[in-house]
Amino acid sequence: IAGITQAPTSQILAAGRRMTLRCTQDMRHNAMYWYRQDLGLGLRLIHYSNTAGTTGKGEVPDGYSVSRANTDDFPLTLASAVPSQTSVYFCASSDPGVVLSINEQFFGPGTRLTVL
Amino acid sequence: GNSVTQMEGPVTLSEEAFLTINCTYTATGYPSLFWYVQYPGEGLQLLLKATKADDKGSNKGFEATYRKETTSFHLEKGSVQVSDSAVYFCALSAIGRDDKIIFGKGTRLHILP
Repeated sequence: IAGITQAPTSQILAAGRRMTLRCTQDMRHNAMYWYRQDLGLGLRLIHYSNTAGTTGKGEVPDGYSVSRANTDDFPLTLASAVPSQTSVYFCASSDPGVVLSINEQFFGPGTRLTVL
Repeated sequence: GNSVTQMEGPVTLSEEAFLTINCTYTATGYPSLFWYVQYPGEGLQLLLKATKADDKGSNKGFEATYRKETTSFHLEKGSVQVSDSAVYFCALSAIGRDDKIIFGKGTRLHILP
């Protein structure tokens, strides 16, 4: 593995079902993020984690939960999916290093989720 | 609060044309500025960045200069190719307790052969 992987690549889900999107990175980055991308709205941050064991809410956290049990994995769970959660979901990671604010984020290939 | 505004697309150009995609920002302090590119079916990847005023980021023929006086970071390329067709995101990262990046809404670029 090199970089960030996401699974599944795509999924069609019935409304009301529970779904976990998986994200794994092998760069030992401390910070990880989940975004959703919708046409005309760009990228919106759902949840983030600055380091293993901590998580925080982003711009659009409702209906989603995350956990960060270790450095490498950052799963995103939809407890009861609704059609408005139809979107493309991207996981990203970064390594703050010594000086904050100059660090790029590395993105996974995305998961396309359709909730019917 | 911090924000990024970029020109709406889609932008359609012929191959070898000159490209400018405008980006302006609002931020306290001295943010770092980025351009990310998203090719069809892929995630975002960093195209270039600049960390202080008057810095010029460059990569793959693209350039952008950090202009603090106009709070701008416009993306330019002298001669675009069909392979440059993608969505381009301007972004900023401000110094703070965490490392979050604020993205613009993206500009879709179509290059015609």
